[in-house]
Amino acid sequence: GQNIDQPTEMTATEGAIVQINCTYQTSGFNGLFWYQQHAGEAPTFLSYNVLDGLEEKGRFSSFLSRSKGYSYLLLKELQMKDSASYLCAVRDNYGQNFVFGPGTRLSVLP
Amino acid sequence: DSGVTQTPKHLITATGQRVTLRCSPRSGDLSVYWYQQSLDQGLQFLIQYYNGEERAKGNILERFSAQQFPDLHSELNLSSLELGDSALYFCASSPRNTEAFFGQGTRLTVV
Repeated sequence: GQNIDQPTEMTATEGAIVQINCTYQTSGFNGLFWYQQHAGEAPTFLSYNVLDGLEEKGRFSSFLSRSKGYSYLLLKELQMKDSASYLCAVRDNYGQNFVFGPGTRLSVLP
Repeated sequence: DSGVTQTPKHLITATGQRVTLRCSPRSGDLSVYWYQQSLDQGLQFLIQYYNGEERAKGNILERFSAQQFPDLHSELNLSSLELGDSALYFCASSPRNTEAFFGQGTRLTVV
């Protein structure tokens, strides 16, 4: 089976840094993905980790520890437009299917 | 624009009816995924197809079915609709071993 857990909601201030955690237990693993989703819109891809360590992409970074079943998404220099849900997803290595966590709703306050 | 096209964008129908949602994947992507997202809920995986064959199945109701055609487009059929089936239905596609790209979704309202 597969189980992915994220905090339900987080709040941060414009210009600050926020870390969104994701823990997972899956029967297979072929990568961890982070997506951003604004209300009523399609999820859009942010980052991907398949090996342990940190991947940096502009204001967004993602970290993975496969032995701990743990990832985080780091958002720097927060902007109001970053208010959205952030979805953690694991891709299994059999069917190449994506299983999504419940998402973390981030509110950025002025 | 992700390159994944879903039609229709909005659908309003009555309980007990049957609807078909359509998805055209990105050019060359062999995998198609269907997800259901109810209001303020996460993405619930329904079903995956790879090059015309069913690859994985999630919590898809027996009233729901899907298929992928030789030209790789996919259709999700929802029958005997209930009020609780009202949701956003997303299709996504991916080539092997990379991220999935999502369509804009079909918002289904059952009245």
